[in-house]
Amino acid sequence: DGGITQSPKYLFRKEGQNVTLSCEQNLNHDAMYWYRQDPGQGLRLIYYSQIVNDFQKGDIAEGYSVSREKKESFPLTVTSAQKNPTAFYLCASSPREGGTDTQYFGPGTRLTVL
Amino acid sequence: AQKVTQAQTEISVVEKEDVTLDCVYETRDTTYYLFWYKQPPSGELVFLIRRNSFDEQNEISGRYSWNFQKSTSSFNFTITASQVVDSAVYFCALSEANNYGQNFVFGPGTRLSVLP
Repeated sequence: DGGITQSPKYLFRKEGQNVTLSCEQNLNHDAMYWYRQDPGQGLRLIYYSQIVNDFQKGDIAEGYSVSREKKESFPLTVTSAQKNPTAFYLCASSPREGGTDTQYFGPGTRLTVL
Repeated sequence: AQKVTQAQTEISVVEKEDVTLDCVYETRDTTYYLFWYKQPPSGELVFLIRRNSFDEQNEISGRYSWNFQKSTSSFNFTITASQVVDSAVYFCALSEANNYGQNFVFGPGTRLSVLP
């Protein structure tokens, strides 16, 4: 089945540690995105990538890093520089259809800093 | 600048009632796309509908219907005969064309609770 997978579902981190969240898609989509969602809030864009080996900062990129070495994969690293990383992280992908941009989402990773 | 407003933070209805979720948007572009997503308690956002700015026809899909009115910059979502499984947070979103996603803006969401 085609879709987007994120792992792990739950992640616990100690302060000062870097952690990497996985996002994989088999939809053959060119574009991928990372969003952060805080309780009771909407989604905020962290990073996006329109094509392999290219990515752009979103609205809240500070303290995060990404890579896009393969079309199917867009991992997100939450670094120790991110002051308040506890949140729900959603990965999405979209076909590059001239701006139609329907985004399809993975199940999310809930990160908690202890 | 783009903006999406969902003025209703939370709505509670009793099963079988009809409910309308409001969405008002702002954009300077003449070509844009509007979306609704559902986020059930599991957390994954589920795509419901996409509508482009040149198509103002209302759409019905089962118990769901959407009313797009450019004159009032609104894209409202109605659930007819609501069911407990409709309980979720619903997000309206706006994307301006030719930006390949970097201007995909979500509203704050409306939490719908359908009580048995």
